[in-house]
Amino acid sequence: QSALTQPASVSGSPGQTITISCTGTSSDVGGYEYVSWYQQHPGKAPKLTIYDVSKRPSGVSDRFSGSKSGNTASLTISGLRSEDEADYYCCSYAGNSAWIFGGGTELTVV
Amino acid sequence: EVQLVESGGGLVQPGGSLRLSCTASGFTFSSYEMNWVRQAPGKGLEWVSYISGSGSGKNYADSVKGRFTISRDNTQKSLYVLYLQMDSLRAEDTAVYYCVRGLVPASFDYWGQGILVAVSS
Repeated sequence: QSALTQPASVSGSPGQTITISCTGTSSDVGGYEYVSWYQQHPGKAPKLTIYDVSKRPSGVSDRFSGSKSGNTASLTISGLRSEDEADYYCCSYAGNSAWIFGGGTELTVV
Repeated sequence: EVQLVESGGGLVQPGGSLRLSCTASGFTFSSYEMNWVRQAPGKGLEWVSYISGSGSGKNYADSVKGRFTISRDNTQKSLYVLYLQMDSLRAEDTAVYYCVRGLVPASFDYWGQGILVAVSS
């Protein structure tokens, strides 16, 4: 299976809202309500940011939200802050205890 | 506090073997599914392998199927360990390998700090 498709980079100014898309197929993103998003700062381990398409783990800011339509999931970050600058990866369950990640999106806060 | 600490990485020649370990603490280990996820230098994340809480269910990415074996030790009351036996290693297996706890139904909530595996002659 090929990786889910994400834009290589997105940018925004402090306070703005940005959206990162994640496109898969009916065998992964479109077939399950199990899309998750991970934030990764340089040199650090990824951190769960959104799970089950739109749920936020305890401790994650409500500025982060997720959604899905068909084979495309989205991560939206509102009220952009400098500390949001990181790489973001989507991930989808693909059935039979297998998962597939997106290629990652580099978020720059300018 | 949930802690996942990987060990066993290093430099190995193509065709060689390596066994990664992940020591888990701070949670009831046998109640959780576990996974290995890797990240090649400068690249994205790749799911590698899954194991159920009991150890009876396992799965692998096509890229490592037949070469890697996941297992777990749920028996040690003071030391719970997840393993990844990696055989017939290739240059493309070079990556940081993360030990990751599964969050039911299908995401990953805790990640270890990662361990580097470098395959080179």
